[in-house]
Amino acid sequence: NAGVTQTPKFQVLKTGQSMTLQCAQDMNHEYMSWYRQDPGMGLRLIHYSVGAGITDQGEVPNGYNVSRSTTEDFPLRLLSAAPSQTSVYFCASRQADSSGNTIYFGEGSWLTVV
Amino acid sequence: QQQVKQSPQSLIVQKGGIPIINCAYENTAFDYFPWYQQFPGKGPALLIAIRPDVSEKKEGRFTISFNKSAKQFSLHIMDSQPGDSATYFCAASIDSGTYKYIFGTGTRLKVLA
Repeated sequence: NAGVTQTPKFQVLKTGQSMTLQCAQDMNHEYMSWYRQDPGMGLRLIHYSVGAGITDQGEVPNGYNVSRSTTEDFPLRLLSAAPSQTSVYFCASRQADSSGNTIYFGEGSWLTVV
Repeated sequence: QQQVKQSPQSLIVQKGGIPIINCAYENTAFDYFPWYQQFPGKGPALLIAIRPDVSEKKEGRFTISFNKSAKQFSLHIMDSQPGDSATYFCAASIDSGTYKYIFGTGTRLKVLA
């Protein structure tokens, strides 16, 4: 059982470049989300999705786009990378029917923007 | 009102000690309070969780204490081991049908051998 798979693991971008962080889950979870983790800031929600075709903004959505064309996949697009987007990005998923359902995180994508 | 405040930011204890990490919240609609453990280079993973209808939950060496009136909850690690060295996040969520978990800022724990 692969769980939540993120690619790439590490990426270096130049300011202004665009890229897509890939996320896939094989647990048939309705809910998926993207967080960024920065020192002293904890985990901040970027975008989330409650099902295929439905996405919404989280706490820090600026500079990022998402789409959810299938239940399994939830890519995060950086439109024009900025040094402030240097961070560790985590994709996560969970079942929808209760707030008590466990969030499963991927192993993270380390992004550096120079 | 949506914040979860976590303290301390970092903590160093000797092996066998009992580190305590505290979290406080404002929104009384929160109904689920999990703790996540994160090892370096890995994603967070659920450690233990509690709902407001109980004051304490224990799983192995990990205990959550919950004070509903004070809107605070804490994680205690009994007989801590070097393998417990990790970052710990508290969180809170509402069973409202939306996907909103609010995470604390994390506590980096180091257990000395």
